[in-house]
Amino acid sequence: SQTIHQWPATLVQPVGSPLSLECTVEGTSNPNLYWYRQAAGRGLQLLFYSVGIGQISSEVPQNLSASRPQDRQFILSSKKLLLSDSGFYLCAWSHGYEQYFGPGTRLTVT
Amino acid sequence: GQQLNQSPQSMFIQEGEDVSMNCTSSSIFNTWLWYKQDPGEGPVLLIALYKAGELTSNGRLTAQFGITRKDSFLNISASIPSDVGIYFCAGDNTDKLIFGTGTRLQVFP
Repeated sequence: SQTIHQWPATLVQPVGSPLSLECTVEGTSNPNLYWYRQAAGRGLQLLFYSVGIGQISSEVPQNLSASRPQDRQFILSSKKLLLSDSGFYLCAWSHGYEQYFGPGTRLTVT
Repeated sequence: GQQLNQSPQSMFIQEGEDVSMNCTSSSIFNTWLWYKQDPGEGPVLLIALYKAGELTSNGRLTAQFGITRKDSFLNISASIPSDVGIYFCAGDNTDKLIFGTGTRLQVFP
């Protein structure tokens, strides 16, 4: 069966510091991969999605970037974090319309 | 961009009651999905709907794909405390999903 992992689970970073969040999927190949951000008590905002290695589509222009160095690995990065980057970051995978989410990373920028 | 409106925004019900929530869009979707999110966790897929008019059940949950393809409904029968959480609808948009604003459900014993 397929599983999706995210780490770290929680992260506290100062403003201006770099960021790297990792997502990996097991038990499937060539999935579509997604990064979402969720503000407290709010809905899901799609940040990036990828349909293959090296293929990244950005939904919201901001100081974040994404990379897909391997088929089942998706990385979310920032060179300099802003206070507004705080939130709950979710990774998801799909092979069709149904998306399956990871456990999330809670990021607090101080 | 496209938006999905969910209602109600929140619900406070007593254990054993039935629950209904809906999702509407200004655009047509070919697929509707319903997710539940527990606090501090990722959303979990509950039901997927692929055909206009389709009615699908998953235990105490029943969802329907509206005939106009612009809406969907989720019903929960005989609610229990573990039904607490946020319920999201989502519609497909090529390789992406558009998510609704969520319905927060509280169940009191």
